[in-house]
Amino acid sequence: DAKTTQPPSMDCAEGRAANLPCNHSTISGNEYVYWYRQIHSQGPQYIIHGLKNNETNEMASLIITEDRKSSTLILPHATLRDTAVYYCIVNPSSNTGKLIFGQGTTLQVKP
Amino acid sequence: GAVVSQHPSWVICKSGTSVKIECRSLDFQATTMFWYRQFPKQSLMLMATSNEGSKATYEQGVEKDKFLINHASLTLSTLTVTSAHPEDSSFYICSCYLQGQETQYFGPGTRLLVL
Repeated sequence: DAKTTQPPSMDCAEGRAANLPCNHSTISGNEYVYWYRQIHSQGPQYIIHGLKNNETNEMASLIITEDRKSSTLILPHATLRDTAVYYCIVNPSSNTGKLIFGQGTTLQVKP
Repeated sequence: GAVVSQHPSWVICKSGTSVKIECRSLDFQATTMFWYRQFPKQSLMLMATSNEGSKATYEQGVEKDKFLINHASLTLSTLTVTSAHPEDSSFYICSCYLQGQETQYFGPGTRLLVL
């Protein structure tokens, strides 16, 4: 499975966009990029996933570079409730969905 | 949609006893469920993959006789921690795989404290 690299922590001002980067330089052609977040003492929450096209939903946008070696999760207007650990995971769609979590990025949204 | 529940949300037990944790997909069927464990200030660690009607597949280093997994229906998987010890104290989280969306949805977790 491809591995990912994320900065350990980031700060963001409330109301501003939060841009969380992820490197996945060894990603294979059939592997999707998934983003989850975990708010303290809760189970992880699915945010978004994509293969090669940019994706947007009600929570966030996912921008994947053309070579697919990196991606950025964008929270357009961060709120204090977005403070969490954000995990970027690559996973092939052909299997049963097994996810291997790294250390993620701790995003602190500040007032 | 895609709601997963766990029961209990927290449990305290004595060393040597067994504890059962339930994981349910409430509004979809899940042929595959996963069990994770998370220690304080650490990331989630996958323990096992549970497929409905078959034996679970355990990750390396996870004792299958200690962590019994049963996936008897498409909406329920159980994890039983047998002969619990204080070092088994942890946050146990399940997830259910929703085919079609190719996405895992997680339960709220169960906090286990073994005294």
